[in-house]
Amino acid sequence: DGGITQSPKYLFRKEGQNVTLSCEQNLNHDAMYWYRQDPGQGLRLIYYSQIVNDFQKGDIAEGYSVSREKKESFPLTVTSAQKNPTAFYLCASSIGAGTHEQYFGPGTRLTVT
Amino acid sequence: GQNIDQPTEMTATEGAIVQINCTYQTSGFNGLFWYQQHAGEAPTFLSYNVLDGLEEKGRFSSFLSRSKGYSYLLLKELQMKDSASYLCAVIGSGNTGKLIFGQGTTLQVKP
Repeated sequence: DGGITQSPKYLFRKEGQNVTLSCEQNLNHDAMYWYRQDPGQGLRLIYYSQIVNDFQKGDIAEGYSVSREKKESFPLTVTSAQKNPTAFYLCASSIGAGTHEQYFGPGTRLTVT
Repeated sequence: GQNIDQPTEMTATEGAIVQINCTYQTSGFNGLFWYQQHAGEAPTFLSYNVLDGLEEKGRFSSFLSRSKGYSYLLLKELQMKDSASYLCAVIGSGNTGKLIFGQGTTLQVKP
């Protein structure tokens, strides 16, 4: 079955540690996205990639980093510079950039204490 | 700036009809999406509107008026499983595919 996977579902880290969230898709999609979701707020775009080996900052990129070395993978690193890292992180992909439906992964809930 | 407004919460009765409104002010417009999200799960696609009018898909319909910056999602014959958050999202100008999301509307369906 085609889809997007994110692992793990729940992740716990101590403050000051970097942590990497994985996102893999086997839909052969060119575009991939990372969002953050906080209670009572809409999804906010962290980074996006329209094609392999290229990515752009979204609206809240500070304290995060990404790579896009393979078409199917778009890992997100939450660095110690991110002031409020505890959140629900969602990865999405679409056939291409533009007006295409985005398919979402199941999400990773990160808790930093 | 860019802004998308939705009511925070709504309550409706099983079997009834509910309309969830979304108003937007964005720099450019290339379409509006509605997603459904159950608590702790991934959003799933419901509809996409780029032209004015009503798009019907089973129990769900979505309407768009570009001149008014307004959309609504209509849910008919409500079922308990429709209790979820409904997210309105707009693609603005450019060809990046970047979605701008509203805060979402949490719908509670009661027996």
